[in-house]
Amino acid sequence: GEDVEQSLFLSVREGDSSVINCTYTDSSSTYLYWYKQEPGAGLQLLTYIFSNMDMKQDQRLTVLLNKKDKHLSLRIADTQTGDSAIYFCAPRSGGGSYIPTFGRGTSLIVHP
Amino acid sequence: DVKVTQSSRYLVKRTGEKVFLECVQDMDHENMFWYRQDPGLGLRLIYFSYDVKMKEKGDIPEGYSVSREKKERFSLILESASTNQTSMYLCASSFRGEGAEAFFGQGTRLTVV
Repeated sequence: GEDVEQSLFLSVREGDSSVINCTYTDSSSTYLYWYKQEPGAGLQLLTYIFSNMDMKQDQRLTVLLNKKDKHLSLRIADTQTGDSAIYFCAPRSGGGSYIPTFGRGTSLIVHP
Repeated sequence: DVKVTQSSRYLVKRTGEKVFLECVQDMDHENMFWYRQDPGLGLRLIYFSYDVKMKEKGDIPEGYSVSREKKERFSLILESASTNQTSMYLCASSFRGEGAEAFFGQGTRLTVV
């Protein structure tokens, strides 16, 4: 099955950029999702990228995909205290596989 | 708006009790999942179901069972609760199609004393 690795913590100052990294093992991953979990809540889809793309920008969010190295990153520009949350990388394969697999999640802590 | 609703936000149960966690979705999704979330361990899949009355074990099924009698409802059962089952439980659902997004409930924080 898919193995997904993320660092556990990231601490940044308000206004700085945050970069959350993820590596995965399944080269057939066709959809690569980022989920956000706010304290005490479930996960919500934040953004995603298709495997035939290198980059996707969505307002303050930029997703970069290096398919050769199986590396995904999420950049948050002008990080705000409201961005404090756990971020999960979730590559998802096409074909017959339909079980979402998640990394351990990166806790983003934003200091004022 | 897709809604996945878990019956309780917080539960406190005694060791040895039988515990039912209920999850309902309103988007006619074929797939439903139960995960548990523990600090530093991320989300671990307990069971999933791809159709009514169908179920498959995930990575950590021991001590749990599930029931899917109707398409919209997926129940997680702790046959005899133990303290090591104290955790956050998350239900999710999705369409079966390629790359379909998973939608999550708000989670149930279960404490077994």
